[in-house]
Amino acid sequence: EDKVVQSPLSLVVHEGDTVTLNCSYEVTNFRSLLWYKQEKKAPTFLFMLTSSGIEKKSGRLSSILDKKELFSILNITATQTGDSAIYLCAVGGATNKLIFGTGTLLAVQP
Amino acid sequence: EPEVTQTPSHQVTQMGQEVILRCVPISNHLYFYWYRQILGQKVEFLVSFYNNEISEKSEIFDDQFSVERPDGSNFTLKIRSTKLEDSAMYFCASSVGARGGANVLTFGAGSRLTVL
Repeated sequence: EDKVVQSPLSLVVHEGDTVTLNCSYEVTNFRSLLWYKQEKKAPTFLFMLTSSGIEKKSGRLSSILDKKELFSILNITATQTGDSAIYLCAVGGATNKLIFGTGTLLAVQP
Repeated sequence: EPEVTQTPSHQVTQMGQEVILRCVPISNHLYFYWYRQILGQKVEFLVSFYNNEISEKSEIFDDQFSVERPDGSNFTLKIRSTKLEDSAMYFCASSVGARGGANVLTFGAGSRLTVL
């Protein structure tokens, strides 16, 4: 059965800290791994990764995929209170659907 | 920036009643999806829709559920006879193309369904 596992489940840090969120997966015919940020309601897209070892970067956020070890990490440097959210990892396989992990709840304290 | 819009934002219904959740996908997107998220649990796939037919559905999407694209813009999810366990946030999403799983889904803000 396809599955996506995220860790940690929750994390509390202080502003300015750097955090690393983890996502491991077992998916038949892997095609892509996506990271979303969920604040109040709608998950909003952060990154899509399809190739191993190529870092995707957007401001203070970056992500990389390891297709051999079947995992991805999402890094956030110099965290701000606005980074507080649930970070979702989702994997696309042979079909259109995405399989989501349980998410990591990040709380950034001032 | 284009967005997926959903209505209603919150609906409260009695068990056994029919509910229709509505979505307007992004206009140039061809693939449409419904996901749900029970409070405190994962986002779960329900159904995908392309070219006016269901392309894939999960085990959750039983005979009580149906989807329709009644006109050129709306995409609806109907639950025929709601159960308590249908209480969840329902997300509509759309994407430009499928490319066998390597495509970005844009999600709506969700419709919270509460079944009493």
